[in-house]
Amino acid sequence: DTGVSQNPRHKITKRGQNVTFRCDPISEHNRLYWYRQTLGQGPEFLTYFQNEAQLEKSRLLSDRFSAERPKGSFSTLEIQRTEQGDSAMYLCASSLAPGQGYEQYFGPGTRLTVT
Amino acid sequence: DQQVKQNSPSLSVQEGRISILNCDYTNSMFDYFLWYKKYPAEGPTFLISISSIKDKNEDGRFTVFLNKSAKHLSLHIVPSQPGDSAVYFCAASGEGADGLTFGKGTHLIIQP
Repeated sequence: DTGVSQNPRHKITKRGQNVTFRCDPISEHNRLYWYRQTLGQGPEFLTYFQNEAQLEKSRLLSDRFSAERPKGSFSTLEIQRTEQGDSAMYLCASSLAPGQGYEQYFGPGTRLTVT
Repeated sequence: DQQVKQNSPSLSVQEGRISILNCDYTNSMFDYFLWYKKYPAEGPTFLISISSIKDKNEDGRFTVFLNKSAKHLSLHIVPSQPGDSAVYFCAASGEGADGLTFGKGTHLIIQP
């Protein structure tokens, strides 16, 4: 399977704990995106990378959120001091650079529940 | 404020008929539009896209129409099949931003 993969698929944590999610993009894609989706809403853009450079951050990405893509391959999204409002599905997507196609291909997501 | 709007939360269509899903946008800087399909517990799956320089794009049973003056696009599925039952999201990009802006989705139900 050469699609986008995400781990873990589910995460339950207590308020105040830190969590980290991983995304492995499609191997030839140099762009990687993070989105968050809550019930009844469409995915909301958080941030994206071109290779290892983080090029854009949404205002939704508070200081408690940090994303990395150290070698331009997989990426991690960390949430520090989780709050109940962080409960959501966290989606990763990858794409080729503009000029080669704008379509973003999504992984299955990580569902976070903060208790 | 929502820049991409899907005003029908759900739509029920008989198998074999045409399904038409609608999407409106407010940001005139959007220049690329996409439709995604989502099953429960899965990530969105890319279906079809259209650039703002075109007014129609077709791929098999799926056709997307873009009316720039009305800031409106629609997805036509014909004929509709039971496996088409899912939530459909309209998304847009542009204005120098590379993150997609999504609508809230339309739940399509294909009746046998």
